[in-house]
Amino acid sequence: KAGVTQTPRYLIKTRGQQVTLSCSPISGHRSVSWYQQTPGQGLQFLFEYFSETQRNKGNFPGRFSGRQFSNSRSEMNVSTLELGDSALYLCASSPGQGDNSPLHFGNGTRLTVT
Amino acid sequence: AQSVTQPDIHITVSEGASLELRCNYSYGATPYLFWYVQSPGQGLQLLLKYFSGDTLVQGIKGFEAEFKRSQSSFNLRKPSVHWSDAAEYFCAVGIPSGYSTLTFGKGTMLLVSP
Repeated sequence: KAGVTQTPRYLIKTRGQQVTLSCSPISGHRSVSWYQQTPGQGLQFLFEYFSETQRNKGNFPGRFSGRQFSNSRSEMNVSTLELGDSALYLCASSPGQGDNSPLHFGNGTRLTVT
Repeated sequence: AQSVTQPDIHITVSEGASLELRCNYSYGATPYLFWYVQSPGQGLQLLLKYFSGDTLVQGIKGFEAEFKRSQSSFNLRKPSVHWSDAAEYFCAVGIPSGYSTLTFGKGTMLLVSP
């Protein structure tokens, strides 16, 4: 099976712009989660989608949003970019049914805001 | 809310020596516990997981971890470290809520000396 695919791998944006990141989960996985990784804050949970519905949300401002499509692919959007949004954004997928499903991570999208 | 502490930011181990990475968690009940590894520029790879049952769990690449309820710990061990084990290691806790959400520790960077 193909793993979790994130595109693009690298992005450079300017403050005030918006950005959209994409994630294709492992085939058959219906849950997609997004995490932000920075040197200072570490790995922080953004949100989780299951069957096109946001099932859980972390403590991030409303500039961070996401969605999931009927084929389980997911996008996250960050509007009005700030320098502090520079980070590695990781997507993870799991079957999503039941608790005991470990997350499978993609290689991430490295976002640099200048 | 749950939390995870990895007390060691960096650890240096000689190749062939044994390894133990510490992880302590805070949660009112027994959580789900995970260890992930991240190589530079890569996503997170699952090493092992604990849900219930036998407190000593075996993972990939020769790693094992032991859940100790009395100490709220889930330390990762390997009897003989290889140079290719150099990476950052993350301990994570999930709660039995039906959500695929993990809380991560800040990570421990493992350096392997020849």
